[in-house]
Amino acid sequence: DSGVTQTPKHLITATGQRVTLRCSPRSGDLSVYWYQQSLDQGLQFLIQYYNGEERAKGNILERFSAQQFPDLHSELNLSSLELGDSALYFCASSAGTGDEQYFGPGTRLTVT
Amino acid sequence: GEDVEQSLFLSVREGDSSVINCTYTDSSSTYLYWYKQEPGAGLQLLTYIFSNMDMKQDQRLTVLLNKKDKHLSLRIADTQTGDSAIYFCAETGNQAGTALIFGKGTTLSVSS
Repeated sequence: DSGVTQTPKHLITATGQRVTLRCSPRSGDLSVYWYQQSLDQGLQFLIQYYNGEERAKGNILERFSAQQFPDLHSELNLSSLELGDSALYFCASSAGTGDEQYFGPGTRLTVT
Repeated sequence: GEDVEQSLFLSVREGDSSVINCTYTDSSSTYLYWYKQEPGAGLQLLTYIFSNMDMKQDQRLTVLLNKKDKHLSLRIADTQTGDSAIYFCAETGNQAGTALIFGKGTTLSVSS
């Protein structure tokens, strides 16, 4: 158990809908990262937050957004969902911005 | 651009050593990581190596780093059936903060 929690574990929704994925980092960690894992793209970095502020952006679509709250938990919002958004979404946390990252169990999103 | 390459499959017999290889492109990566993913699970941080080191040993795991050739390897001694999983090599590229850039993963199959 990495100490990073993610909810929900599974999510099934229809195209065009919007969903919110939640992540709680390990106790004391200030950085939260979101990654997407799909069969064709592999593991891709989406976005990083550090202590409430956006720190870095990767291959994140404009339909996706995230935020980190004062209690350091983070949410990833996915809107106007398409079939191709079906994937595993992982959250990871680290103490600072250059430290090793610990991953949560992931949220499996299925868009039908 | 940044890229991490791994061979896709490795098959070994129980008790043998496994060697999983990885090449990376970003010579400015400070740390290089190995993660393990079991079916239906998240990514477990196995070990990591600082870029100024050549080797790191941690119980059955040995990481070798050749900075000149940008080659990283993970050796698992006395491989067990429980080691069957996908192993990901990752570097911290400089394009997006300290986000991890992952290889496609090597599926290790251990037969008894």
